[in-house]
Amino acid sequence: AQSVTQPDIHITVSEGASLELRCNYSYGATPYLFWYVQSPGQGLQLLLKYFSGDTLVQGIKGFEAEFKRSQSSFNLRKPSVHWSDAAEYFCAVGPTFTGGGNKLTFGTGTQLKVEL
Amino acid sequence: KAGVTQTPRYLIKTRGQQVTLSCSPISGHRSVSWYQQTPGQGLQFLFEYFSETQRNKGNFPGRFSGRQFSNSRSEMNVSTLELGDSALYLCASSLEASGTYNEQFFGPGTRLTVL
Repeated sequence: AQSVTQPDIHITVSEGASLELRCNYSYGATPYLFWYVQSPGQGLQLLLKYFSGDTLVQGIKGFEAEFKRSQSSFNLRKPSVHWSDAAEYFCAVGPTFTGGGNKLTFGTGTQLKVEL
Repeated sequence: KAGVTQTPRYLIKTRGQQVTLSCSPISGHRSVSWYQQTPGQGLQFLFEYFSETQRNKGNFPGRFSGRQFSNSRSEMNVSTLELGDSALYLCASSLEASGTYNEQFFGPGTRLTVL
């Protein structure tokens, strides 16, 4: 069965510092990979996704992620964090076969705190 | 275009009662998925509906059920509520264009508290 691991439950960074959130997955093949962000009291917003091709993907709000097949990882990065980035971040995997539906398997999330 | 709408936003029930949550997808979206979010278990997939048919189902007891109407609106029902059903229930809709994965757009959720 597929699974997603986010090893860091909480991360604190200073505003302006760089950020990397880790994500590892276990799947039978290369899955579709996603990063979502959730602000308090809100639903999930898609930051970026990887389906195939270039292993470095760009997303919204200045985020990027790199897919590394050999490490089964899909880490999220941002060069300079803004106070408004404080939120919870979720990595997720989805089915790769057409007609497989839209079921997402999520990691446990990483809570990001930004110090001013 | 309006986003995914979930009603009600907050709900308080007592053990043993049943509850129905509603989700209105983005106009034109035909797939609706439901997720349960709790501090202990995180985000877990409940079920997915497409064209009024359940396409995928997560590992939840039969007390959890859902349906989709011809206008793609969806409801989920939880019967015989337990304290552990307290959670944020998220609905997501997608366009469902054939041959490609469809980005899911999430609603703000319904916060259910079971006393």
